[in-house]
Amino acid sequence: SYELTQPPSVSVSPGQTARITCSGDTLPNQYSYWYQQKPGQAPKLVIYKDIERPSGIPERFSASASGTTVTLTISGVRAEDEADYHCQSADSTGTYLVFGGGTRLTVL
Amino acid sequence: QLQESGPGLVKPSETLSLTCNVSGGSISITNYYWGWVRQPPGKGLEWIGSIYYRGTTHFNPSLKSRVAISVDTSENRFSLKLRSVTAADTAVYYCGRHRRVAAEREFDYWGQGTLVTVSS
Repeated sequence: SYELTQPPSVSVSPGQTARITCSGDTLPNQYSYWYQQKPGQAPKLVIYKDIERPSGIPERFSASASGTTVTLTISGVRAEDEADYHCQSADSTGTYLVFGGGTRLTVL
Repeated sequence: QLQESGPGLVKPSETLSLTCNVSGGSISITNYYWGWVRQPPGKGLEWIGSIYYRGTTHFNPSLKSRVAISVDTSENRFSLKLRSVTAADTAVYYCGRHRRVAAEREFDYWGQGTLVTVSS
């Protein structure tokens, strides 16, 4: 089965830059997506098509892709950014969707 | 908007049934699928499966033998059935809409989620 791998947790101080990685074999050939999920809430799309930001998402959220790894970067982290972040992609055929295990971002 | 509904408690070996009502737009739109995603307590998201308004379905291979998804365009809703449930199926179940055009597959709308507990 196809898998995406994320670190379980990342911690940063306010104002610093947080980087969350997601690795998977088909990421060079399939788009990646990132979701922010706060406790008790549904996931919210923050990045689509590898690097695009939906309207209403702050510019401090950005992403990059290199080979089999994609990275979500949050610049100037704020307390309100504390949440779980999930990457998502698809298998090589684009048929089956897959999520990473999620990364808890803690703002110290 | 999407809204899940269904029993919050299901007995082991029985069938979990949920419905997602879509409002504010038609379920019969091109380039979008309607899907189910679940999240066990304290764990990550797991895609269960998706359906197009014309009835085409795709399922997570790990759940395919137990899952059925159907769509009712006249009622603007779609439904999930998961058979032979165990405690491992206890999770918050989300319905959502995702793109399916070219290589785009993002979920852009989600329901609020509903907790389903499997217990006798």
